[in-house]
Amino acid sequence: RKEVEQDPGPFNVPEGATVAFNCTYSNSASQSFFWYRQDCRKEPKLLMSVYSSGNEDGRFTAQLNRASQYISLLIRDSKLSDSATYLCVVPIRGGGNKLTFGTGTQLKVEL
Amino acid sequence: GAGVSQSPRYKVAKRGQDVALRCDPISGHVSLFWYQQALGQGPEFLTYFQNEAQLDKSGLPSDRFFAERPEGSVSTLKIQRTQQEDSAVYLCASSLVGGSGANVLTFGAGSRLTVL
Repeated sequence: RKEVEQDPGPFNVPEGATVAFNCTYSNSASQSFFWYRQDCRKEPKLLMSVYSSGNEDGRFTAQLNRASQYISLLIRDSKLSDSATYLCVVPIRGGGNKLTFGTGTQLKVEL
Repeated sequence: GAGVSQSPRYKVAKRGQDVALRCDPISGHVSLFWYQQALGQGPEFLTYFQNEAQLDKSGLPSDRFFAERPEGSVSTLKIQRTQQEDSAVYLCASSLVGGSGANVLTFGAGSRLTVL
């Protein structure tokens, strides 16, 4: 099993829709998780950190399910500007503060 | 500086040439990471420094890859005898703290290497 697995998409949704991505991870000892956003030909930027059961920031909600070893990202009221690749990130097994990135899920929000 | 600075932004090399990629992290950031990102993939870990010490180089794909951070600030990733499969974006990231426990990374804009 890969360290971090994501559905690559693309997810094509209309503006205003609610969309959710899941990410599964293999390192059961992980305590912290992150969602990064990456625009085309740009660097990844932190979107949200998840340290306990979940986190909410405006239209974005991240949830953690430790029993099933997955985290999810929910985006409500999608905007055109939300179009990007969303990277799920977890610590590398036995790797201290090194992070493993998923392949990313591509989101396209359309008019 | 205000952010992580990488240079060059774009590099085209002929197969067999050596290249050097520079990363200037955020001032005061202890940890520095190099990642390699191929087209359509997520960033893959290459190596990690805490100050000037290279604590992990397990992600370097071959002995043609070498990284250093001699004074605990600027870092250089060197690739010798480049091959076409080395074509990728090389991302540098820094974080404020070191030690155990995952920390937030701030990435530079990357150096896009194309090997012909």
